[in-house]
Amino acid sequence: GDSVTQMEGPVTLSEEAFLTINCTYTATGYPSLFWYVQYPGEGLQLLLKATKADDKGSNKGFEATYRKETTSFHLEKGSVQVSDSAVYFCALRRPAGGSEKLVFGKGMKLTVNP
Amino acid sequence: DSGVTQTPKHLITATGQRVTLRCSPRSGDLSVYWYQQSLDQGLQFLIQYYNGEERAKGNILERFSAQQFPDLHSELNLSSLELGDSALYFCASSGRGWEGVYGYTFGSGTRLTVV
Repeated sequence: GDSVTQMEGPVTLSEEAFLTINCTYTATGYPSLFWYVQYPGEGLQLLLKATKADDKGSNKGFEATYRKETTSFHLEKGSVQVSDSAVYFCALRRPAGGSEKLVFGKGMKLTVNP
Repeated sequence: DSGVTQTPKHLITATGQRVTLRCSPRSGDLSVYWYQQSLDQGLQFLIQYYNGEERAKGNILERFSAQQFPDLHSELNLSSLELGDSALYFCASSGRGWEGVYGYTFGSGTRLTVV
């Protein structure tokens, strides 16, 4: 079945450090790919998305490129801030069978220190 | 405020009991999804409703059931509760025209503690 594998944390970085969170997926066909972020005490928020190969999603300084050849969707940010401390989830959605469910990775907790 | 409202925010109950979690989707959204988030299992898809009809079922236990009402709000019923059911339960909604392009809108969750 469909699955998402992402880096397991937790990860602690200093402010202005470079961030990469690896994400790979297994799915048939051409899934859409997403990154969600969960701030403490809140629900998940869509961070960025990509719907086809070579698409780049970007938002709030975060970027991820849909790489079909490596089935990956790694999240990057050049300079993290304390406010980026959160849990990050990679997810996919395969448009099959009429279900729009998202399949999530296990999430990675990021803490950014001043 | 995401537009998806979940009540209650916190719930503490005893083993063997039954609880009902409520979700009001974002205005205009026809699909409602329920997810369970636990430390060991991560985010697990439970069930989806679309305009009152069950659309997809995931890892939902037989002790759990859900429904979506004509006004599109949804309820998740958890019965014969066990300690292992303690988790965060999220509701999400999405709109008409979902084609893999749009993400969900999540509520802030209900934290269930079974003691």
